[in-house]
Amino acid sequence: GNSVTQMEGPVTLSEEAFLTINCTYTATGYPSLFWYVQYPGEGLQLLLKATKADDKGSNKGFEATYRKETTSFHLEKGSVQVSDSAVYFCALTLISSGSARQLTFGSGTQLTVLP
Amino acid sequence: DSGVTQTPKHLITATGQRVTLRCSPRSGDLSVYWYQQSLDQGLQFLIQYYNGEERAKGNILERFSAQQFPDLHSELNLSSLELGDSALYFCASSVGVKRGALTDTQYFGPGTRLTVL
Repeated sequence: GNSVTQMEGPVTLSEEAFLTINCTYTATGYPSLFWYVQYPGEGLQLLLKATKADDKGSNKGFEATYRKETTSFHLEKGSVQVSDSAVYFCALTLISSGSARQLTFGSGTQLTVLP
Repeated sequence: DSGVTQTPKHLITATGQRVTLRCSPRSGDLSVYWYQQSLDQGLQFLIQYYNGEERAKGNILERFSAQQFPDLHSELNLSSLELGDSALYFCASSVGVKRGALTDTQYFGPGTRLTVL
């Protein structure tokens, strides 16, 4: 089956520190990959995505590169801010023969950034 | 604001009861997805509808059912509720894709928090 594995949290960093959240996947076909972010008390927001190997998704200073050879999609940010404190979810969806496109999520990584 | 609306925001009910959660997708989106977020199970896909028809089923219990109406809004019905059904229920919508096309992006609503006492 399909699965997503994220690094265990919680992660606590100081402001302006470098962030990496690891994500690896197992998929029966060719997946598209996503990072979603959930701020306290809110729903999930799409942060970035990549639909084919070697694509780099980027948004708000966050980046992730689709690495097919290592089945990974690690999230990085060069300098985190207090406002980045949230739970981050890695997810995949498969291109199937139909129009089904359900997301398979990782367990989420709680990030806390201290001033 | 994603453009996806969900009502109610909070729902508190007792075991054995039945509730209905409602979702209105973004304007123009044909696909609606339901997900459950709980502490022990994480985020799990329940069911997808595309233009009124069921497209995919995930880990949805037999006590749960859903439908998508002609105006494209969707309802998730949860019956014979148990304590373990307490969770956040998210609806997401997307434009929808034809067979074999690349995926499209899902936009999530704010969720309905269900508490079963």
